[in-house]
Amino acid sequence: EAGVTQSPTHLIKTRGQQATLRCSPISGHTSVYWYQQALGLGLQFLLWYDEGEERNRGNFPPRFSGRQFPNYSSELNVNALELEDSALYLCASSWGETRADGYTFGSGTRLTVV
Amino acid sequence: AQTVTQSQPEMSVQEAETVTLSCTYDTSESDYYLFWYKQPPSRQMILVIRQEAYKQQNATENRFSVNFQKAAKSFSLKISDSQLGDAAMYFCAYTNAGNMLTFGGGTRLMVKP
Repeated sequence: EAGVTQSPTHLIKTRGQQATLRCSPISGHTSVYWYQQALGLGLQFLLWYDEGEERNRGNFPPRFSGRQFPNYSSELNVNALELEDSALYLCASSWGETRADGYTFGSGTRLTVV
Repeated sequence: AQTVTQSQPEMSVQEAETVTLSCTYDTSESDYYLFWYKQPPSRQMILVIRQEAYKQQNATENRFSVNFQKAAKSFSLKISDSQLGDAAMYFCAYTNAGNMLTFGGGTRLMVKP
């Protein structure tokens, strides 16, 4: 069974540009979560999508947005990039009552803003 | 809001020895789940062990076990017979409603041969 896949692996953008990160969940998983892992700051919750709807959002500005497609894959868009957006962005997926099972994570996209 | 605290930024253990990583959390909920995740240099987060708050028995997975103290809101991870492959960042995480995981700041574990 394929795991959670994220693309691209690395992304370099200039300040002010837009970045698009992609995530494909495990087959059968309907929920996708995005986390930002900045250096020294641990994992910060960004967004949660389930069945195509945004269910919850972390404390991030509106220039962080995303969507979930009918096949449950997801995109994270970051507009007007700032230097402090440089981080590892992790996607995770789950299905149903997940609290007991935790999430399955992808290997992340390393975004560097120069 | 729930918070998760890992007070040890770095830990070191000799191969084959035992090490304990600490985690405390703050919540007013009675029903919740706790997890330990491992993040090796490959960056992928790997679930190590889970604990359901309503279960008094501490979870165990092979060489990994937890000491869950609900009243103290403490959830430590014990790694027995440490191996070189155990070297990684370890994150403690909490969830209750909303399926959202809240993570601690992480502990970097180094294993000395």
